[in-house]
Parts: sequence; C-alpha cells; structure tokens
Amino acid sequence: QVQLQESGPGLVKPSETLSLTCAVSGSSITSGYYWGWIRQPPGKGLEWIGSIHQNGITYYHPSLKSRVTMSVDTSKDLFSLNLSSVTAADTAVYYCARNSVWGSYRPPFDYWGQGTLVTVSS
Amino acid sequence: QSALTQPASVSGSPGQSITISCTGTSSDIGAYNYVSWYQQYPGKAPKLMIYDVSNRPSGVSNRFSGSKSDNTASLTISGLQAEDEADYYCNSYTNSDTHVVFGGGTKLIVL
Repeated sequence: QVQLQESGPGLVKPSETLSLTCAVSGSSITSGYYWGWIRQPPGKGLEWIGSIHQNGITYYHPSLKSRVTMSVDTSKDLFSLNLSSVTAADTAVYYCARNSVWGSYRPPFDYWGQGTLVTVSS
Repeated sequence: QSALTQPASVSGSPGQSITISCTGTSSDIGAYNYVSWYQQYPGKAPKLMIYDVSNRPSGVSNRFSGSKSDNTASLTISGLQAEDEADYYCNSYTNSDTHVVFGGGTKLIVL
C-alpha cells in the first residue's frame, strides 16, 4: 500500500519561503510515476500546484510558476516543495499525491498524504 | 474562480439518486476523457472515486458512476446513504498551460 506523509513548518512568515517534504513508502519514488502537490485554502477548493518526475521533469501551475520549485531525493524516496515570497493567500492545507498514470502528470491522483496546514503570518 | 464549474450544493434523501455536474470547456473536459472525481470528508484528504470519466478504482462502491457529454462531466450516486454526505470535486487535464484543473467542489447533503 502506497503511503505519503507531508512534513514541514506549520507557520511561515510573509515574504519567506514555504518548504515541505513528502515521504513516500510502499512504492519507490523511482517507479516511473509523477508526484504532485495540491493545496486547499481554508474553506475553499483544491488547487494543483505542480507535479515532478523522478528524472526532475516538472510541470507547474502557471500562476505559481515564478515562485515554485520542486525536487526529488531518490535516495530517500521523498520529494519537496518550495514556495517563495509567500503571502497570506498561500495559507492552505498542502497535500502531496501520486499521479496514478505511469509516466504521465495528468489526473487522476490515486494516493494522497493526510495534508499539512501551513499558515502564513507574522 | 475555479476552472471547472460545479454547483455549490446538492441534496437528496436516503435511497434516492443524485447527480453532480462539472462544466468545463473544449480545452479540458470536452477534449479528453481524463475526468476524475474525489470525495472529501471534513479534515480529511480527498479520495479518488472515479477516474477517466467512468472508471471506479478497486474498493469504490458501484453506487458511484461517472459520465460525460460534450464539455460537462457528471457524477451520479445512487441509493444515497448518510455516509455519502461529503464534498465532491471534479478534476481534469487541460491542454492550456494550466495543465490540471479542479472544480470548486459540491457539498452533498443527505437529508
């Protein structure tokens, strides 16, 4: 059974960088799938942030592209999200998830982490 | 504003059937059979219920079904049960530079 677990600070100051990691178990991050980040502001809907492949190929939402960096650590079976210059609008629950179609970043997302709330506040 | 349009809420009584619509464009739902649906309980992660328009993952009840016509996808839940009360989100690939889009979500109320 594939499991994903997000980790990182729950509070980030405005203008700083939000950094999260997602640990993958039950499957290797080098299994050929894309791995994604999705966020959900409190009381609102889901927003795809981007997806990354084991070889480092990334696809980002254009509205976040200038501030987002994703990376993969194949030795530790984890992938990471960095979001720079954050504002209160970036406050959200951040989920990591697996793109279920081998070799493709298209939907659906079949396995999800439990989510982690990140609040942007001074 | 979400890229895909869903009704804010739908309701139904136990045993009834309900349908949730998800309207997109010719760049997403109309162009590809890559529509998926997720169920989300408060404080929980979304759960995949339907993928590629009408396919159910293993373990998902056959009371859940999906379909598509032109630029609109639909999720139908038959034999409503109290446990179906949750938020439902549609999701699609798009050939715009957005790549992946979600609907705004629909709250299902079981009366």
